[in-house]
This record gives sequence, C-alpha cells and structure tokens, in this order.
Amino acid sequence: EVQLVQSGAEVKKPGESLKISCKASGYTFSSDWIGWVRQMPGKGLEWMGFIYPADSDTRYSPSFQGQVTISADKSITTAYLQWSSLKASDTAMYYCARPHMLRGGVIRIDYWGQGTLVTVSS
Amino acid sequence: QSALTQPPSASGSPGQSVTISCTGTSSDLGGYNYVSWYQQHPGKAPKLMIYDVNKRPSGVPDRFSGSKSGNTASLTVSGLQAEDEADYYCSSYAGSNNLGVFGGGTKLTVL
Repeated sequence: EVQLVQSGAEVKKPGESLKISCKASGYTFSSDWIGWVRQMPGKGLEWMGFIYPADSDTRYSPSFQGQVTISADKSITTAYLQWSSLKASDTAMYYCARPHMLRGGVIRIDYWGQGTLVTVSS
Repeated sequence: QSALTQPPSASGSPGQSVTISCTGTSSDLGGYNYVSWYQQHPGKAPKLMIYDVNKRPSGVPDRFSGSKSGNTASLTVSGLQAEDEADYYCSSYAGSNNLGVFGGGTKLTVL
C-alpha cells in the first residue's frame, strides 16, 4: 500500500528557514516522481514542483522556481520542501503528492500525503 | 499558464444529478485527453475521482462520471448523497515540461 506521511505542522517567523518532509513507502521510491502542491487558506490547489529521486531531475512551476527547493533522499525514501527565508505569504497547507507524469507534465496525482500546515507570522 | 475555469459553486438535492464544468484552452484541456478531477472534504487531502477524462480509480463509485467536449470538461455526480458535499477541482495536462493547470475549484452543496 502506497503511503505518504508528512511531517507535522510548523509555526515560523518571517525570515526563518524551514524544511518539511514526506516519508514514502509501499513503492519503489527512486522510480517515481514525488513532489509538492500548495493550498493557501481558503484557496485552490497549485502545483509547486516534483523530483525524480533516481537522478534528482526536478521540475518547478514558474511561480515557485527560485522560491523553494525540492529534494529527496533515496536512502530513507523521503522528499523535502525547503525555504531559506519564509514570508507571511508562505502560510499554507502543503501536500506531498506522487504524480503520474508524461514528458515533464502531470497527468494525475494518484496518492497524496495528509498535508503539513505552515504558518508564518511575526 | 492560466488556471482552468470552474463555477465557484454547484448544488443539488439528494438523489439528483449535478454537473460541474471546467473550461480551458486548446493548449491544455482541449489538446489532450488527460483531465482529472479531485474531491476534497474540509480539512482533508484531495482524492482522485476521475482521470484521463472519464476513468474511475478503483473504489470510486460509478455515480461519478467525466466527459469532455472541445475545451470544456465536465464532472457529473448522479444520485447525489450527503457525503458528496465537498470541493471539486479539475486539472489538465498542458504539454511537455509544463506541470499543468488546476481549476479554481467548485464547492458542491447537497441541499
């Protein structure tokens, strides 16, 4: 059974750094894309980006390129989403997701994590 | 890439059918048969309900169906039940090296 288990909620101040995680199990981690979807309070879903752990090929949505870093550790089958300097506008729920991809584009998301709420406030 | 367009709300009584539309362009939704629909209950992660325009994952009731015509896709929920009340999002493939687009979401209310 595929499972994506995310790290817990975070409360941070503007300017702080943060790295949240997504532990994957039930499938061959290196052989499938994994990544992140943002949902701001009361708003819709937004693709952030995805990584292919086997070769670390990473694709970002233009809106998030340079704003976050997506990485993965094959040895512990875990994906990460990282910020170097948080802003209040980063306050959102972040979902880990395993997409089905075609030539660098998302066809569908078969599996979702439970979500990690990130709150950035002074 | 612009988002797909969905109505903000839809409603129906138990047992009725309701259809939610999702409009894109020929560069995304209209150009490919890779439309998916997600259901999201409050405080929960999204759940895949329809993929490849009209296919249902295992476990999704056959009350849920999808279709597409031109640049518009539709999700139909037949025999509405109380548990169908949720937000629904459409998504489409938008070509190589483009992550794709989401719709803004439709809140379905079961009256």
